[in-house]
Amino acid sequence: EDKVVQSPLSLVVHEGDTVTLNCSYEVTNFRSLLWYKQEKKAPTFLFMLTSSGIEKKSGRLSSILDKKELFSILNITATQTGDSAVYLCAAVQTGANNLFFGTGTRLTVIP
Amino acid sequence: ETGVTQSPTHLIKTRGQQVTLRCSSQSGHNTVSWYQQALGQGPQFIFQYYREEENGRGNFPPRFSGLQFPNYSSELNVNALELDDSALYLCASSLSGVTQYFGPGTRLTVL
Repeated sequence: EDKVVQSPLSLVVHEGDTVTLNCSYEVTNFRSLLWYKQEKKAPTFLFMLTSSGIEKKSGRLSSILDKKELFSILNITATQTGDSAVYLCAAVQTGANNLFFGTGTRLTVIP
Repeated sequence: ETGVTQSPTHLIKTRGQQVTLRCSSQSGHNTVSWYQQALGQGPQFIFQYYREEENGRGNFPPRFSGLQFPNYSSELNVNALELDDSALYLCASSLSGVTQYFGPGTRLTVL
């Protein structure tokens, strides 16, 4: 059975801390992995990763994929209260365009 | 460029009723996907439409049905509502690709 597992389920940190969010997957015919940030309702796109070992970076956020060990991490450095959200990862299979989501990690950044 | 919009924002129905949710895709996008997100869970894929044809379906019963119109907007119809249908319904659009952009969702409550 295909599955995407995120850890931890929730995390509370202080402003300025660095956090690492984990996403492991067991998905047949894996093609890509996507990260989204969900603050209230609409998940907003962060990264799409297809190749192993190539880091994607956007400001304080970065992500990398390991296709041998079947996981991805999302790093956030110098966290701010605006980073508080649920972070979702989703796998996509070859030949399909639907996203297969994990349950998310709820990040809370306190001042 | 207009993003993905959904209507209504909130909806309250009673068990057994029928509901129609609407989605306007981002300008230029020809593919629309629908997801159901229960509280504390990741979004689950319902189905996808590409150029007015269903292009993949998740594990949802036939009482969940949809349409896509020539302007690529879309509807999700749910018949014979059950209590477990209470959720956030998300619409996402894409341009024949993997990266999907989400709307703000419709919160459906079934009493």
